[in-house]
Amino acid sequence: KQEVTQIPAALSVPEGENLVLNCSFTDSAIYNLQWFRQDPGKGLTSLLLIQSSQREQTSGRLNASLDKSSGRSTLYIAASQPGDSATYLCAVGGLNYQLIWGAGTKLIIKP
Amino acid sequence: NAGVMQNPRHLVRRRGQEARLRCSPMKGHSHVYWYRQLPEEGLKFMVYLQKENIIDESGMPKERFSAEFPKEGPSILRIQQVVRGDSAAYFCASSPQRDDGTFGSGTRLTVV
Repeated sequence: KQEVTQIPAALSVPEGENLVLNCSFTDSAIYNLQWFRQDPGKGLTSLLLIQSSQREQTSGRLNASLDKSSGRSTLYIAASQPGDSATYLCAVGGLNYQLIWGAGTKLIIKP
Repeated sequence: NAGVMQNPRHLVRRRGQEARLRCSPMKGHSHVYWYRQLPEEGLKFMVYLQKENIIDESGMPKERFSAEFPKEGPSILRIQQVVRGDSAAYFCASSPQRDDGTFGSGTRLTVV
């Protein structure tokens, strides 16, 4: 049974710092992995989707990596800004269609 | 293309009432997925539907919960006789094929 863990649960850093969020999963037989952003009381915004055959994806200041063999993904945020404050969710797509979600990392960027 | 539309955004129900949550998929999308997010927890899969068919409802509670996706109109998640533990955010996603769904903004259900 796939389990997804995100560490840390919460992170507070000063504006301008580069930071890394971690996601680990127990079953390496995945179809894809996605990173989402969730703002308080709002919906889910897909940030990056990495297919199982890929090692990383980049979008602007965001870079996500995938290492299936070790069951890990990282989301790297460069030059953090207060507007990056949100909860970041990792979701693993299995060989069925279900997404298995981590509990998220709550990120606060201090001005 | 308006994206995945969920309504209402917020729903308050008294214990014992029924809650009906609606999800209108993106145009051309025939696959709909419902997820539930309990407070301080990650999202959990509930049900996967295609037009007029329930493909997988393995994540649905055995009682009081039902879902449909009719030929015409939105997908409906129905919760009968709501209890306080049903309070959560319910998210719907749609896709044109099996995966890479687009998520709606969710419905936040509060049971009082």
